[in-house]
Amino acid sequence: NAGVIQTPRHKVTGKGQEATLWCEPISGHSAVFWYRQTIVQGLEFLTYFRNQAPIDDSGMPKERFSAQMPNQSHSTLKIQSTQPQDSAVYLCASSPYTGQLYFGEGSKLTVL
Amino acid sequence: GDSVTQTEGLVTLTEGLPVMLNCTYQTIYSNPFLFWYVQHLNESPRLLLKSFTDNKRTEHQGFHATLHKSSSSFHLQKSSAQLSDSALYYCALSEGNNRIFFGDGTQLVVKP
Repeated sequence: NAGVIQTPRHKVTGKGQEATLWCEPISGHSAVFWYRQTIVQGLEFLTYFRNQAPIDDSGMPKERFSAQMPNQSHSTLKIQSTQPQDSAVYLCASSPYTGQLYFGEGSKLTVL
Repeated sequence: GDSVTQTEGLVTLTEGLPVMLNCTYQTIYSNPFLFWYVQHLNESPRLLLKSFTDNKRTEHQGFHATLHKSSSSFHLQKSSAQLSDSALYYCALSEGNNRIFFGDGTQLVVKP
């Protein structure tokens, strides 16, 4: 089992550009979660899917962030018109029924 | 709504001394799952302990915690701290099949 796979591991964008982050959950896990982590804000919940359906996106900044899960093997987080304050490590985690999270290694986004 | 409180942002102690990190929670769900995750520098959070059984001690890698529903607590303890225990520790709550709520985290620093 390869665990949760996130790509890219590092991404540098210019202010105003778009960034797309990918996550491949562990096979058989029913839920996928996205978190953002910074030194200042800590671990922030963004959104999650269960059985590919969006369940809760209450943590997503509405205007520029979007997430999708087109099939059970991957999810994407898209940030349009990136801003310096979007710089963070974006963590994807998958979960079986019990709610235990298995995190990927994260995608570090730097917006210049 | 559900929430998790970790009262200490930073705990600093000397190697060999006991560790206790506090975690209390609020939920209307009668059978919550409680977790402790540990995050070492430049790594992602990984599960350390989990429990859903009232008053039953759970142990892993020298750490232990007991879920007390009467006091809504799930404190993390270890009898003797090691330098390698230095990390960020998150307490988390799940209602089983729903969103997972994290505390703000406690940074543990163990000094020689």
